[in-house]
Amino acid sequence: SQQGEEDPQALSIQEGENATMNCSYKTSINNLQWYRQNSGRGLVHLILIRSNEREKHSGRLRVTLDTSKKSSSLLITASRAADTASYFCATAPPSGYSTLTFGKGTMLLVSP
Amino acid sequence: EADIYQTPRYLVIGTGKKITLECSQTMGHDKMYWYQQDPGMELHLIHYSYGVNSTEKGDLSSESTVSRIRTEHFPLTLESARPSHTSQYLCASSVGDEQYFGPGTRLTVT
Repeated sequence: SQQGEEDPQALSIQEGENATMNCSYKTSINNLQWYRQNSGRGLVHLILIRSNEREKHSGRLRVTLDTSKKSSSLLITASRAADTASYFCATAPPSGYSTLTFGKGTMLLVSP
Repeated sequence: EADIYQTPRYLVIGTGKKITLECSQTMGHDKMYWYQQDPGMELHLIHYSYGVNSTEKGDLSSESTVSRIRTEHFPLTLESARPSHTSQYLCASSVGDEQYFGPGTRLTVT
């Protein structure tokens, strides 16, 4: 069953602007992760936030998690053309098993 | 880039052929996974393994099979390929919560 749903499906911005992507999920989680996928390639792990955390930073990335609303957001500040990619959220169940459920992704286009 | 490799990167074959997609990792990870992804869509877990001689089916029903005889190797086999198997297949491994992905195999069955 679908767990993560990203919003928007696609986002087009100019270099230097901030990009915000949202993810909603349906059931309890152990953690939520964000991955990036360049066209035709595998996924690259960006950041993980645990269910007892509310905000996390990594370089130009900021992730928030609201477990009461079952939602997360990924903010990329000062976007660059190289940030053009699809971004997926993935949730891990509370059972401790390591399988992830991925959302459909947000396609981000950053124009120079 | 993670040390996880997939071959071939692209494969075009005819209906009814038997194929094996290779996946190898040099990180010593116990856990490995196969996902299927159609263009612009989400990843669906089709098989996973928690170690040697351990294999499980994922959320998406698949006609493929896997084996895990060595820690570093997790091949996926389709006994008789069909056009409905046309997709991208992604292999991943993990030791903790974070998964490391290979570059994928894009399969086209004609």
